Amino acid sequence: EIVLTQSPDFQSVTPKEKVTITCRASQSIGSFLHWYQQKPDQSPKLLIKYASQSISGVPSRFSGSGSGTDFTLTINSLEAEDAATYYCHQSSSLSLTFGGGTKVEIK
Amino acid sequence: QLQLQESGPGLVKPSETLSLTCTVSGGSISSSNYYWGWIRQPPGKGLEWIGSIYYSGSTYYNPSLKSRVTISVDTSKHQFSLKLSSVTAADTAVYYCARQRAAAGSSPLNYFDPWGQGTLVTVSS
Repeated sequence: EIVLTQSPDFQSVTPKEKVTITCRASQSIGSFLHWYQQKPDQSPKLLIKYASQSISGVPSRFSGSGSGTDFTLTINSLEAEDAATYYCHQSSSLSLTFGGGTKVEIK
Repeated sequence: QLQLQESGPGLVKPSETLSLTCTVSGGSISSSNYYWGWIRQPPGKGLEWIGSIYYSGSTYYNPSLKSRVTISVDTSKHQFSLKLSSVTAADTAVYYCARQRAAAGSSPLNYFDPWGQGTLVTVSS
């Protein structure tokens, strides 16, 4: 099983700050890494696919990068509505796995 | 716009079988471009993939749950279903269904988009 380790677990951020969340895979997964946003009491929403590809309707302040084992989700100029938990997910193997999540709180 | 809706009992007794159905509307469950998946989330915890199915009935399961999971599809009803046997309190979770883009390559499974709203299933006597 491919283990995804996210860091940090929690981040408290001021609006307009830049947020960086990392996801490290236990083995190389190419670009088969996707990011989701889950707001309280809502289902997850796809933010980024294949490590860096944008999703229609997702604000441009969200971006992804990386390949192999190390990946990053960046939120430029954080807005209050971005308070949520963010998850990475790999689809490189037939046993799909998710990272443990990073909760982003607005100060 | 594609929508998915989970349905089923919200309370299941220990050792019994959890059964849920996901109804797909606004799109075809028989599309060759997609798989259909189940994911769960215990209260206050992270996401766990349960398994996925193609419209033809081909399935992939999480190895840790494989012995207890059955996923099936009924294209005539635009539904796919989850059965999880011998449940315990550890199976208490919000259960989501979601669409998965089919992929070429070593793994045909892909990202989940969109997701249903989820349904809470509690295992308790």
